[in-house]
Amino acid sequence: DAGITQSPRHKVTETGTPVTLRCHQTENHRYMYWYRQDPGHGLRLIHYSYGVKDTDKGEVSDGYSVSRSKTEDFLLTLESATSSQTSVYFCATREWEGPANEQFFGPGTRLTVL
Amino acid sequence: AQSVTQLGSHVSVSEGALVLLRCNYSSSVPPYLFWYVQYPNQGLQLLLKYTSAATLVKGINDFEAEFKKSETSFHLTKPSAHMSDAAEYFCAVPGDGGYQKVTFGTGTKLQVIP
Repeated sequence: DAGITQSPRHKVTETGTPVTLRCHQTENHRYMYWYRQDPGHGLRLIHYSYGVKDTDKGEVSDGYSVSRSKTEDFLLTLESATSSQTSVYFCATREWEGPANEQFFGPGTRLTVL
Repeated sequence: AQSVTQLGSHVSVSEGALVLLRCNYSSSVPPYLFWYVQYPNQGLQLLLKYTSAATLVKGINDFEAEFKKSETSFHLTKPSAHMSDAAEYFCAVPGDGGYQKVTFGTGTKLQVIP
């Protein structure tokens, strides 16, 4: 299994505060993804990265930014958290973009914005 | 754009009964398709994947799925449900922007009744 860790695992914050979630992988996978999981919506892509300093938007990117300065780390930042960003956030990695390549997921971060 | 639709957000079966979870895909080209499982408070993990090598795909824990082009379906089955199968199941398809992004269905939560 790919070694993927997420930190923090739980966070409670207040509206308007900045929040940064970290994803760390030990598998040297090229691709990294941030998803949010909400009831009735499944997993929705926020941003993804296809290499160091190479990122692109997903379907729900508004209010989120990302950075990838090293292969192993992918950061998700909520510049000014809102209650609508209360969710469970998952990081995933993928060795390369070949269509048969599966994703490997981290354990998730539960974020509550009050 | 590639997409998948999962019919039934909740499915209940008795222990020992057949499990059938439905996934239909929308694709203009032969797709690659995945089923992932999410156990409570965990990240997703791969159950099985279709890569056009065979229409009947076997995965972990006795799950299997059959690709039916005429029905644009990739339903997940297991002959006999076990209590440990209680989880949420997601169908997924790579697509949109080459194969860099992966689109997930909204998920089906499986309840196994003793």
